[in-house]
Amino acid sequence: NAGVTQTPKFRVLKTGQSMTLLCAQDMNHEYMYWYRQDPGMGLRLIHYSVGEGTTAKGEVPDGYNVSRLKKQNFLLGLESAAPSQTSVYFCASSHQPGNYEQYFGPGTRLTVT
Amino acid sequence: GESVGLHLPTLSVQEGDNSIINCAYSNSASDYFIWYKQESGKGPQFIIDIRSNMDKRQGQRVTVLLNKTVKHLSLQIAATQPGDSAVYFCAESPSGGGADGLTFGKGTHLIIQP
Repeated sequence: NAGVTQTPKFRVLKTGQSMTLLCAQDMNHEYMYWYRQDPGMGLRLIHYSVGEGTTAKGEVPDGYNVSRLKKQNFLLGLESAAPSQTSVYFCASSHQPGNYEQYFGPGTRLTVT
Repeated sequence: GESVGLHLPTLSVQEGDNSIINCAYSNSASDYFIWYKQESGKGPQFIIDIRSNMDKRQGQRVTVLLNKTVKHLSLQIAATQPGDSAVYFCAESPSGGGADGLTFGKGTHLIIQP
């Protein structure tokens, strides 16, 4: 099993550009999450999904959109990138909600200039 | 608001010594706690977890202690090795089993001195 994979690994955007980050998991997990991690800080939840076709807002959802068209994929979109969205983005998945282990991908480092 | 935080941002220990990383949480309704290890350039990796109906849980070279009275969590690593150098995060599930993601602390950087 590959676990949780993320593409791309690195990306540089100019302010106002758009992009989509892809997360894929092969563990048949129902729950998927997108976090961002900024220097010296823990991870903050952006959006999450409790199953195919469903999404919900997390702690810091503004400026992001997500879609879960297939159970194994969770996409994070930035419609108009801003420098404040420069961060490392991590996707995670879990078999059970909330109080169970989440498995993380390797991260995507995004720089917005 | 509710938060999870760590007492020390950096902890330096000698190789072979035991390490103790501390974490304070403020949400008394949290019932699940988890420790992650994050090496440079990688995603967080599960170490050990504990539920609020327990006060101690042991893994391989690691022990997590939970003191609900003072809302304190600690991770003990026995006989630290160079490979233990990383940032360690505690996290809690504040929703009592809901589908929300975990709430993370800011992390403690563990440095192993040779």
